Amino acid sequence: EMQLVESGGGLVKSGGSLRLSCTASELRFKVYNVNWLRQAPGKGLEWVSSITGSGTYIYYADSVKGRFTISRDNARNSVYLQMNSLRADDTAVYYCAKGDLGDWFDPWGQGTLVTVSS
Amino acid sequence: QSVLTQPPSVSGAPGQRVTISCTGSSSNIGAGYDVYWYQQLPGSAPKLLISGNNNRPSGIPDRFSASKSGASASLAISGLQAEDEADYHCHSYDSSLSGVVFGGGTKLTVL
Repeated sequence: EMQLVESGGGLVKSGGSLRLSCTASELRFKVYNVNWLRQAPGKGLEWVSSITGSGTYIYYADSVKGRFTISRDNARNSVYLQMNSLRADDTAVYYCAKGDLGDWFDPWGQGTLVTVSS
Repeated sequence: QSVLTQPPSVSGAPGQRVTISCTGSSSNIGAGYDVYWYQQLPGSAPKLLISGNNNRPSGIPDRFSASKSGASASLAISGLQAEDEADYHCHSYDSSLSGVVFGGGTKLTVL
């Protein structure tokens, strides 16, 4: 079964930037849609962004539109989330997960913590 | 404020049956979009519990089942076990938002 591993989280000041990576263990990765989701401390899950296998179609939640950019490099089996103009309410564990919009998400990575300090 | 509404917590004794509700609206569950369920053990990432057509992925016991009616869905867990203590999340798609929506999560406590 495919495994996903996130990296790139850390502590950043408000207004700063961070780039998250999601790397897959499976060579067929390039045919899969990948999503970024997040979970603020003590809160529920929030979908952030989605990218199709070819990278042709990209979608964002309103809360991050204009600040976050999703991309992928299928040669590296990786999907990225460039996060700019970070705010305190972006503090969360960020997960990547495979799945089409309208379908279930499986598998999920273990998550990477992003902390934005004010 | 989550688009889908779940109770913050439920509890039950070992062996009992509990249900977790997930209430949406005419633009998501009520519009016919599927509802999926995830289990999140303490300190871990969410894990798929119920996929399309209320199917359970390999390894998920048949003690877990899901149903849907109108704009609401529910997850039932029978024969409660201590290992079921976790947070449970529902997930669907919303046509008005053109995006994925989740419930706020429900913490299950096994007494």
